[in-house]
Amino acid sequence: DAMVIQNPRYQVTQFGKPVTLSCSQTLNHNVMYWYQQKSSQAPKLLFHYYDKDFNNEADTPDNFQSRRPNTSFCFLDIRSPGLGDAAMYLCATTTGVADTQYFGPGTRLTVL
Amino acid sequence: GQQLNQSPQSMFIQEGEDVSMNCTSSSIFNTWLWYKQDPGEGPVLLIALYKAGELTSNGRLTAQFGITRKDSFLNISASIPSDVGIYFCAGQNSGTSYGKLTFGQGTILTVHP
Repeated sequence: DAMVIQNPRYQVTQFGKPVTLSCSQTLNHNVMYWYQQKSSQAPKLLFHYYDKDFNNEADTPDNFQSRRPNTSFCFLDIRSPGLGDAAMYLCATTTGVADTQYFGPGTRLTVL
Repeated sequence: GQQLNQSPQSMFIQEGEDVSMNCTSSSIFNTWLWYKQDPGEGPVLLIALYKAGELTSNGRLTAQFGITRKDSFLNISASIPSDVGIYFCAGQNSGTSYGKLTFGQGTILTVHP
């Protein structure tokens, strides 16, 4: 059974049109991460939540926001997508700060 | 900041051959992880290493945590077509505020039947 679920798997949006990506987990993990992965590159951490505490990476653009309404769900909001934001967006979870991270299948975002 | 150098960048091999890839770091890690990513999917954890010198196997995969804690390698024996994908190493340190992973650049593996 899938443990980290991302919806949708494929998302197409228009330049400047806000978009929200969803991640849910059945593992009851404390920590949830959002990564951006561009073609042929390693995943790049955008931010993470430890329970309700939000931690932004220093180089994450303000265009990217996140919400975690409860333990199971975390959302990535891109307020005004640009062409350069087209990428695979990966969600990951872990039980604690130094435990193994488990990734979801990703959402492939296309910006037209 | 910490950086990982993963090599080789890509490999083209025949089915049945063994594969070896490695990662080196400019600084130490407490944990080394190896992930495989299929096209259009998220990374899947293959092996996690927690102690310097540790050698761990998972089926045809074997990985080692270097004694200096600055390197790790992954071997795949008797490769099969479904081994195709991108392999990432990642280093992690306990005690950081969020267990941030530092990824290598990835090794693209192609297996010819």
